[in-house]
Amino acid sequence: QVQLVQSGAEVKKPGSSLKVSCKTAGDTFDNYAVTWVRQAPGQGLEWMGVIIPVFGTTNVAQKFQGRLTINADESTYTAYLELSSLTSEDTAVYYCARDSVAKVRGGGWFDPWGQGTLVTVSS
Amino acid sequence: QLVLTQSPSASASLGASVKLTCTLSNGHSNYAIAWHRQQPGKGPRYLMRINSDGSHLKADGIPDRFSGSSSGSERYLTVSGLQSDDEGDYYCQTWAADIRVFGPGTKVTVL
Repeated sequence: QVQLVQSGAEVKKPGSSLKVSCKTAGDTFDNYAVTWVRQAPGQGLEWMGVIIPVFGTTNVAQKFQGRLTINADESTYTAYLELSSLTSEDTAVYYCARDSVAKVRGGGWFDPWGQGTLVTVSS
Repeated sequence: QLVLTQSPSASASLGASVKLTCTLSNGHSNYAIAWHRQQPGKGPRYLMRINSDGSHLKADGIPDRFSGSSSGSERYLTVSGLQSDDEGDYYCQTWAADIRVFGPGTKVTVL
């Protein structure tokens, strides 16, 4: 059974950078792809980007291009989200999830999800 | 542009059924979608995938009370025998090669 476990809550200063980790257990390299989603307080889900190591590709939503980096340590099945130039608008719960794109041809849904990481940006 | 539309809210009585609708933008009527549920205070959980032909594949552990269907550019999630813990936000989600998109979500209230 695949499980994703994320790093703990963080408080960051405006202008600083954030790094959240997401460790996958129970998966195989051929199926390994991780997507990142965030949810601001009281708001809906917002897709940020996906990394697909088996394809050697990373896609980032246009809104975050230039300040979002997604990478992965394939030896430990750990993915990382790095977001720079933080503002209060980046206060949110950040989720990782397994993206089905590597496992299923034409896939792109998310299952399972990590538990979420609360990030608060405040001076 | 790939966009999903959902009604902001839906409600039904305990034990009744509710049918949620997710509408794909023009030119994208052949896209599959996924449904995710987020109970209050919890993270999202994947429910099922629905293809354009109406075929659907539920996640492990999702009961038969949950079913999916499709018509044109609309994708549906029907929850039968509503229970109190079916309350929450239901998001549809779709994808293309290099993008993933969420709908705005439908808040379901069990009366």
